[in-house]
Amino acid sequence: EAAVTQSPRSKVAVTGGKVTLSCHQTNNHDYMYWYRQDTGHGLRLIHYSYVADSTEKGDIPDGYKASRPSQENFSLILELASLSQTAVYFCASSGANSDYTFGSGTRLLVI
Amino acid sequence: GDSVTQTEGLVTVTEGLPVKLNCTYQTTYLTIAFFWYVQYLNEAPQVLLKSSTDNKRTEHQGFHATLHKSSSSFHLQKSSAQLSDSALYYCALSNYAQGLTFGLGTRVSVFP
Repeated sequence: EAAVTQSPRSKVAVTGGKVTLSCHQTNNHDYMYWYRQDTGHGLRLIHYSYVADSTEKGDIPDGYKASRPSQENFSLILELASLSQTAVYFCASSGANSDYTFGSGTRLLVI
Repeated sequence: GDSVTQTEGLVTVTEGLPVKLNCTYQTTYLTIAFFWYVQYLNEAPQVLLKSSTDNKRTEHQGFHATLHKSSSSFHLQKSSAQLSDSALYYCALSNYAQGLTFGLGTRVSVFP
C-alpha cells in the first residue's frame, strides 16, 4: 500500500541544536511537502519539492531548510532549533491528480 | 497568494441535528481542486471530500459540499451529526505544484 512514513514520531530537542525530520514515500509521487501545525494557525506550508535535488520555499520557510536527495525522500532540517518551532510537522506527497497522502506526523518539542 | 477562510473556530451541535461549516476562498492561480479534510486527535488529516467541478454536489460519509465558484465557497454540511463526527475540519484548496492551502480549521463537538 502506498504510504508516507515520517521519522521520528516525536522528538525533544534543545534550543540551538540541530534537528532533522525525515520523510519517505512509496507513492511514486513527484511532489512532496512539509507542513507545520499549530493550534490557531492550521497547517502551513514550509517547503516543497517537485523533483529530486530541488526544493522550493513555502509560506513559512524561515528557520528551516529542506533536502530532497531522491524522489522517495524529503527531509526538513532545523539548523538552530528555537522554542517557536515547537509544533507538529506533517510530510505529504501528491501526484498529478492532486491526491495527497499525509504521514502520521512528528511531534517536536524544543526546550 | 491563495487564502481560505473558515469563519467558525468551534461549532457545537447536538447529536442528530444538522451541522454546517463555512468555507470561502481567494485564489490568484489556477486552482485544481477543493477539499475538506478531517483530523481526529493525534492523527494525520485525511480527505473527506474533494471537488473540482463548479455547482456539483459531492458526498461522502454523510457529508456533502457543493463548490460555488460564483461565490468562492465550498461549505460542508451534514443533515444529522453523530458523536463520531467530533473532530477538526479543514477546508483547503490545491493549485498546480504548490500544494495545499488550508483554512485555520473548525473544531466540531457533537454532544448527546
